[in-house]
Amino acid sequence: EPEVTQTPSHQVTQMGQEVILRCVPISNHLYFYWYRQILGQKVEFLVSFYNNEISEKSEIFDDQFSVERPDGSNFTLKIRSTKLEDSAMYFCASRDTWVYGYTFGSGTRLTVV
Amino acid sequence: AQRVTQPEKLLSVFKGAPVELKCNYSYSGSPELFWYVQYSRQRLQLLLRHISRESIKGFTADLNKGETSFHLKKPFAQEEDSAMYYCALSVQGAQKLVFGQGTRLTINP
Repeated sequence: EPEVTQTPSHQVTQMGQEVILRCVPISNHLYFYWYRQILGQKVEFLVSFYNNEISEKSEIFDDQFSVERPDGSNFTLKIRSTKLEDSAMYFCASRDTWVYGYTFGSGTRLTVV
Repeated sequence: AQRVTQPEKLLSVFKGAPVELKCNYSYSGSPELFWYVQYSRQRLQLLLRHISRESIKGFTADLNKGETSFHLKKPFAQEEDSAMYYCALSVQGAQKLVFGQGTRLTINP
């Protein structure tokens, strides 16, 4: 069964540093997403991406965040200057059509120290 | 705004007993409802979507628009059902999933 792949599985970074979280969505999917889950809290939507542009973003997704699909296969989330409160599990997801739901990756645990 | 409420953070039942994980939503239109499951140290996996009306691993869920609920049920719990369960809502035309807080289900032997 096709999978969404995320790397790395765990990233530790110092406050103020830039991080790039990587995702390889399922190859024939057209819609891509990032979600995050702070420890003990619910999964929260960050951003959706379709046709090479952001289609929706949450209030969490401020100017320090950006997404890119640089080469037609990877889908990246960049956090420019990390803060302690960015520590969370970040999930990438993709889907092909409306009715079939999302396929999630296994997540990247980001720890900002 | 859309909202999903899972009132139980923790639910513990014995093997063979019936299970019901509650989910209520807030949305004035016609939502799309999903249940996702996350086994220990694994990814979020789609368990059920309401439009398909299917049964997966013995679980079913019925959308009750009058009560704005989408409770997940299984008549006889198994130990391998122990996991974190998330109810989620999506609105057609919007892109995002809105998740509930999740319910950690533990099946005792």
